[in-house]
Amino acid sequence: GQQLNQSPQSMFIQEGEDVSMNCTSSSIFNTWLWYKQDPGEGPVLLIALYKAGELTSNGRLTAQFGITRKDSFLNISASIPSDVGIYFCARVLNAGGTSYGKLTFGQGTILTVHP
Amino acid sequence: DAGVTQSPTHLIKTRGQQVTLRCSPISGHKSVSWYQQVLGQGPQFIFQYYEKEERGRGNFPDRFSARQFPNYSSELNVNALLLGDSALYLCASSLGRGPDKDQPQHFGDGTRLSIL
Repeated sequence: GQQLNQSPQSMFIQEGEDVSMNCTSSSIFNTWLWYKQDPGEGPVLLIALYKAGELTSNGRLTAQFGITRKDSFLNISASIPSDVGIYFCARVLNAGGTSYGKLTFGQGTILTVHP
Repeated sequence: DAGVTQSPTHLIKTRGQQVTLRCSPISGHKSVSWYQQVLGQGPQFIFQYYEKEERGRGNFPDRFSARQFPNYSSELNVNALLLGDSALYLCASSLGRGPDKDQPQHFGDGTRLSIL
């Protein structure tokens, strides 16, 4: 199948440190999405990327769509305790309309931030 | 504005039973998708409905079925429950049309289904 390989599986960091995680695939995609999921809640969209090479920020979060269209990374700067959670990458195979209803997710990166 | 709402939040069933999960999308959203999230994994796509028609189906057995109503709410039905069906079932909605930037899915908090 069209799996996404997300790494690392888990991270334990100190408050204030920067974090980097990435997602790769053997196939080319048109859109990369990054979600965060807190315990007992559904995933929340953090950043959406639509073009190869695109670099987008959302506060302390920055994500990039790889030039090859087969990878993406998410950086979190100056981490704080509320950054704790599971981060998922997800892809949309085709752009436009109802295609966004069929997402494929990575396995997730569990982030723990020590105060 | 209300987000995606799902009911019930928790449910306990026994093997062989049937279950119906419900989802109300964000107002104005016409696309509803269902995902299964097993503990320790990412969500897996089950179904998508748009304008009351099925637009996609994931790799799930026929025991799983869904439908969308005229008000765009949706139900997911699972028959002959197995222990492996224990999971968090997530519903997500989106506009389903228009510019790409308006499309990404908004998720509800899910229904936690436990099979005994």
